[in-house]
Amino acid sequence: EIQMTQSPSSLSASVGDRVTITCRASQSISSYLNWYQQKPGKVPKLLIYDASSLQSGVPSRFSGSGSGTDFTLTISSLQPEDFATYYCQQSYSTPWTFGQGTKVEIK
Amino acid sequence: EVQLVESGGGLVQPGGSLRLSCAASGFTFNSYLMNWVRQAPGKGLEWVANIKQDGGEKYYVDSVKGRFTISRDNAKNSLYLQMNSLRAEDTAVYYCARAKAFLTTSYMVGYYFDYWGQGTLVTVSS
Repeated sequence: EIQMTQSPSSLSASVGDRVTITCRASQSISSYLNWYQQKPGKVPKLLIYDASSLQSGVPSRFSGSGSGTDFTLTISSLQPEDFATYYCQQSYSTPWTFGQGTKVEIK
Repeated sequence: EVQLVESGGGLVQPGGSLRLSCAASGFTFNSYLMNWVRQAPGKGLEWVANIKQDGGEKYYVDSVKGRFTISRDNAKNSLYLQMNSLRAEDTAVYYCARAKAFLTTSYMVGYYFDYWGQGTLVTVSS
């Protein structure tokens, strides 16, 4: 099983800040990496797939990068609606696995 | 409009069984790999199982192997999860999720979850 480890587990930031979340896979997963946003009481929403491809309708302030074992999700200018929990997920091999999540809170 | 509607959750005693259903509409159901993903209260997301378009291949997370069975009925546009020998640690919201295929930069096939149901809560407790 491929382990996905996100850091940090939580962070506090202000509106307008640049935020970076990292995700590390326990073995190479090429670019089979997706990012999701989940707000309390809501279902997850896809932001990025294939490590760096922006899902249609997602604001351009979200971007992803990386390949192999190390990946990042960047929010270039944090907006009020971006306060949520973010998950990475690999589809390189079953069992598909998620990171433990990164909660982005208001400073 | 794509819709996934789960049902069948509830309170069950440890060792008991439940069958979850997911009714799909708004897309060609038999063209998609379908999944169950769960989320324990206050915890993160955990992929549980998936099933290929024709039902011929099924995969499970180790913690449910031998206890859970995923199936689909393409004629009824429905996905199922039969859960037996339930444990307290199976308590979670169970989501039905569609997996969309994409070509990676190296021309291999990857998947992401593009549509999710609203979930059904399963509580395992005496």
